[in-house]
Amino acid sequence: KQEVTQIPAALSVPEGENLVLNCSFTDSAIYNLQWFRQDPGKGLTSLLLIQSSQREQTSGRLNASLDKSSGRSTLYIAASQPGDSATYLCAVRGGGFKTIFGAGTRLFVKA
Amino acid sequence: EAGVTQSPTHLIKTRGQQATLRCSPISGHTSVYWYQQALGLGLQFLLWYDEGEERNRGNFPPRFSGRQFPNYSSELNVNALELEDSALYLCASSLGTGLGTYNEQFFGPGTRLTVL
Repeated sequence: KQEVTQIPAALSVPEGENLVLNCSFTDSAIYNLQWFRQDPGKGLTSLLLIQSSQREQTSGRLNASLDKSSGRSTLYIAASQPGDSATYLCAVRGGGFKTIFGAGTRLFVKA
Repeated sequence: EAGVTQSPTHLIKTRGQQATLRCSPISGHTSVYWYQQALGLGLQFLLWYDEGEERNRGNFPPRFSGRQFPNYSSELNVNALELEDSALYLCASSLGTGLGTYNEQFFGPGTRLTVL
């Protein structure tokens, strides 16, 4: 049974800092991994999708990497801004095409 | 291009009643997914529809059901509502799996269901 863990659960950083969010999964037989952000009480915004055959994806200040063999993905945020404050979720799509989400990392960027 | 839309935004019901939630996918998407986000429990996969068929379901009782219409919109029905069904219900859509593994999911704003 696939389990997805995100560390840390919460993070508070000053504006301008580079930071790394971690996601680990127990079953390496995945189709893809997707990172989302969620603002309080709202739906999810897709940030990056990494296919199982890829090692990383980049979009603006965001870079996500995937190491299937070790069951890990990281989301790197460069030069963080207060507008980046949100909960970041990783989701793994594996057996039966089910999508399993981590519990998320709550990020607060202080101005 | 319009994103995923859901209705209603909020829904208040009492225990034992039935709730119907609706979702319209992005144009061209044939897959629709339903998730439940209850307080303190994170996002749980509920149902997946593709080309009108139920492809998979999560670990939820049969009183959670749904369907997908020929225009690919979808409906989630929750029968015999219980207090613990109170949650944000999120719908997502993607290209169908028949087009390969590129199936990025795009989410709607959600329906907040409150059961009193």
